[in-house]
Amino acid sequence: AQTVTQSQPEMSVQEAETVTLSCTYDTSESDYYLFWYKQPPSRQMILVIRQEAYKQQNATENRFSVNFQKAAKSFSLKISDSQLGDAAMYFCAYRERRANSKLTFGKGITLSVRP
Amino acid sequence: NAGVMQNPRHLVRRRGQEARLRCSPMKGHSHVYWYRQLPEEGLKFMVYLQKENIIDESGMPKERFSAEFPKEGPSILRIQQVVRGDSAAYFCASSPGARRETQYFGPGTRLLVL
Repeated sequence: AQTVTQSQPEMSVQEAETVTLSCTYDTSESDYYLFWYKQPPSRQMILVIRQEAYKQQNATENRFSVNFQKAAKSFSLKISDSQLGDAAMYFCAYRERRANSKLTFGKGITLSVRP
Repeated sequence: NAGVMQNPRHLVRRRGQEARLRCSPMKGHSHVYWYRQLPEEGLKFMVYLQKENIIDESGMPKERFSAEFPKEGPSILRIQQVVRGDSAAYFCASSPGARRETQYFGPGTRLLVL
């Protein structure tokens, strides 16, 4: 079974600084997707960024980028120029690249942003 | 284009009552997933449905829980004879097809069992 591990329960970053959130996963599959979701206090799940495992290039969305290390099964999220609105829980998630596949989530990390 | 809609947003039930949670997927989406988030936990998969079919219910508790996605109308997650341990946030997500990688989430229903 696939597992997703987020070992850091909490992190803090100064506004305008950069922070990296860690995620590792375990799978025997070679083709899959990885995601980072943000859950602010409203608890709405918001997709931050997506990575296809078959792509070597790391995904980037504005201030958000990932460091995808397939051999190490590592998928970290880097947030540049942190803003107060980035404060939230962040969940790493995995999905096999086949039909009818569910998302498997990590336990999440709480990110606080200091003004 | 409206997003995934869930109602009610908050639901309070006493032990032994029934809870019905509704999910309307995004327009054009025919695939619905239900997830449960217990306090201080990540989301856990419960069930995956297409119109009129349950495709994967491997995450559903064996008793008291059921789900449907009829040809017309929203998907329903039904919990019979609720217990305090059912208190959680229940999220619905939809996607346009089985192979489309991104699932779009609704705002969730917070169920509190007294």
